[in-house]
Parts: sequence; structure tokens; C-alpha cells
Amino acid sequence: AQKITQTQPGMFVQEKEAVTLDCTYDTSDPSYGLFWYKQPSSGEMIFLIYQGSYDQQNATEGRYSLNFQKARKSANLVISASQLGDSAMYFCAMRDRSNDYKLSFGAGTTVTVRA
Amino acid sequence: DTEVTQTPKHLVMGMTNKKSLKCEQHMGHRAMYWYKQKAKKPPELMFVYSYEKLSINESVPSRFSPECPNSSLLNLHLHALQPEDSALYLCASSQERAYQETQYFGPGTRLLVL
Repeated sequence: AQKITQTQPGMFVQEKEAVTLDCTYDTSDPSYGLFWYKQPSSGEMIFLIYQGSYDQQNATEGRYSLNFQKARKSANLVISASQLGDSAMYFCAMRDRSNDYKLSFGAGTTVTVRA
Repeated sequence: DTEVTQTPKHLVMGMTNKKSLKCEQHMGHRAMYWYKQKAKKPPELMFVYSYEKLSINESVPSRFSPECPNSSLLNLHLHALQPEDSALYLCASSQERAYQETQYFGPGTRLLVL
């Protein structure tokens, strides 16, 4: 069975500062994909960044980077230079064959950016 | 272009009504998904279509009936819903059902059942 854990229900961050959102996962499958999504209050689920289990480098997409520590089964999202528009719920998710390639989500972390 | 569209954006229906939610993508994706999401919770998978065939039904009540008329369209037919079915319904698509494939979501339909 796989599991995604996000231990931070909510976080506050000052504008222009960096914030790290924690995510740990559990799977026995050697092939898996890790995803981060952003969901603003409007409801749309926006894909941010992807990390594959065989990727040697940490993924980066603009102000988003993924701190992938495979041995610790950790896939933390780092948002640099926070903006007011970053205020949203953030979900960590994983896909692997053992779960029939379903996208399993963590509970989510609400980020509030303060001016 | 990674756009998935959904209509309507909002829907209010009585428990005796029949309505349909629509989802469309033109990215050539062969896998499409329906999720239900309650406030402040992660999405819950309902159905998965792969190459226009129903692959997964997560024991969803029969008052929800999915349909995939072609590779670009996905419908969710609603009939005799309950107030507890009120939620955000999200559609998603991915190139294939594989661990490395990203699911792209539509903006969702906010459903209220009275």
C-alpha cells in the first residue's frame, strides 16, 4: 500500500521569502512519480512540478523546486520568493503500478502569504 | 497547451433532477478521470477511462454514471443525487495511465444538491 504524508496543515510566509512544504511517501515499487499541485480558492488543480523515481537531479520549474531525498522517501516542495498569488492549498501526490497508477494525494498544506 | 475544460462551472440541482457534467481535452490524451472533492480535502478518484474504456470504478454509487463518447470527451451523468453529493467535481486527463504521466485537471464543476 502507498501513502503520502503532509504534516503541515497550514503555513504562513512573508512575501519574497522562501517556504518549504514537506511531503513523505511510502511505496515498495521502484518506479514511481511524484507530483505537486496548487489549488487556489477558485478550485482549479494546477500542476506545478514532477519528479521521477529514477531522476538523478532535483526537479525545478521557475520558482518551484523539489528537494528529492530518495533514501528518506521525502519530496519537499520549495517555493522561492513567495508572492501573494502563491496563497493556496498545495497537494503532494504519487503514482505507481502497485496502486494501479492512481494518483494518491496527501492531505494538503494551506499556504498563506503575508504582505 | 495543457487545457482541460469543464462545463458547467456551477450547478444546482434537486434530488429528483437529471443533469450531466462535461469534460473535454484536445491534448490527445488517452486516459481521463473523474474526481470528487470536498472542501479542504484532497480529491477522491471516482472513475478512470483508458482508451475510451472504463478501467476503474471506485465503487461509486450508481446515481453517478460516466460516459466516454470519444477520446476527447468525458461525461458524468447525475441522477437522484443526495445532498452529501454536493462537492467540487474535477476532470483530469493524462497521456497514458503510467507512473510518469502528469494528470492535468480542469477548473471543476461546483455542484450543490438541494
